[in-house]
Formats: sequence, C-alpha cells, structure tokens
Amino acid sequence: QKEVEQNSGPLSVPEGAIASLNCTYSDRGSQSFFWYRQYSGKSPELIMSIYSNGDKEDGRFTAQLNKASQYVSLLIRDSQPSDSATYLCAVNPSSGTYKYIFGTGTRLKVLA
Amino acid sequence: ETGVTQSPTHLIKTRGQQVTLRCSSQSGHNTVSWYQQALGQGPQFIFQYYREEENGRGNFPPRFSGLQFPNYSSELNVNALELDDSALYLCASSLFVAGMGDTQYFGPGTRLTVL
Repeated sequence: QKEVEQNSGPLSVPEGAIASLNCTYSDRGSQSFFWYRQYSGKSPELIMSIYSNGDKEDGRFTAQLNKASQYVSLLIRDSQPSDSATYLCAVNPSSGTYKYIFGTGTRLKVLA
Repeated sequence: ETGVTQSPTHLIKTRGQQVTLRCSSQSGHNTVSWYQQALGQGPQFIFQYYREEENGRGNFPPRFSGLQFPNYSSELNVNALELDDSALYLCASSLFVAGMGDTQYFGPGTRLTVL
C-alpha cells in the first residue's frame, strides 16, 4: 500500500462546476496535510494546509479532513480553465522527521 | 519578502559526473528540504536541513549529500550521476518550530538531465 494515494486522473469537469479531489493516507498518526497545485513544467504551489478534522475554506477552495477514515479532499468551486493543473496531496507523517510524503497527483482538466 | 530561489534552472550532465544545486530560502525561514520529482510522479523527500544539520533523510543513497549555510541557504550535491537521477530537483523553504512542524514553500526547481 502506498503511503499517500491519489487517483491520477485526468479528472475532467466543465467550467463553473465543482471539482472534487481525493487523497488517502496510510499513517494513522499523521498530523499535517497539504494541497499543492503544480502546472506543467513548474514547481508545486501551496494551496491549503489542514490539521484538524472538518472543513477549511479559502476562497473557492475547501479542504476536508477525516482522520478516522484517513482521507483528505479538496473541493474547487466555480472551476476555471486556469485551475487545470496537477493537484498534489502531501502528508507529514508521524515518524518524527518533518518530511512531506506526496501522492502522485491528480490531473484536473477544466473544460471551457 | 523574497521567495525561494534555485540555481541553475536547467543542467545537463553525463553519467558519472558530479553536480551541485543551490537554493536560497525565503526570508525569515530557517529550514530547507530537498525533493526529487521524476516525470509523472510526486516529489520524493531527499533530506532536510535545520540549523546547518541534517534533520531527516529519505531513501536516497549517500552519493546524495547536502549542506546548509549560516544564512540558511543550501546546496544539494550528487556524485557519480546515474541516468535515473534525471529529474526536477525541488528545494522547499520553511520556518521550523519544534513541536509544531512547518509549512513548506517550493522554489522553481532545477531540471537535471543525465546523459
């Protein structure tokens, strides 16, 4: 089992729709969770961090965390073509070192 | 406030050579982490430096080594380059607070091609 799993996609949604991206992780003791956006050929850009169960909203983005089920999700409301990118889920495991473990990313395509 | 910078942007080396990649951390940050991202994969943790000491290492061989300087900038050195070392090398800068973890911000990366 991979430590952090994401569906590679592509996930295609029409412009204006809600895009839902999911991530599961294996280390039950993980405490910190992050979503990054990566455009082709560029470096990852932090979108959101979440540490507690529940929802966290920032503009059009909502991160959701459920530690009991070991999943974290990202919702993008009113999706725009400029949101087309790969979305990386990162988890800081409970191993004591402050490394991030990344999933392989989900490619999102927003269709105009 | 300046962001994370990396140099060079692109690099082409041949198998067996050595390479040094450089990273300047974001103003106010004290920690640098290095990641390797192969095509189509997520970044893989190489190591992290805090207060000029290695603060954790991923599953990479000893030919991957690093340094952090008093101004918190950092170098990644790779010896005896192999074809599989071809990747995007990412530096991430953060403010590490003991017991609280950090939030990492990435630089633009260095694209290394090994021929």
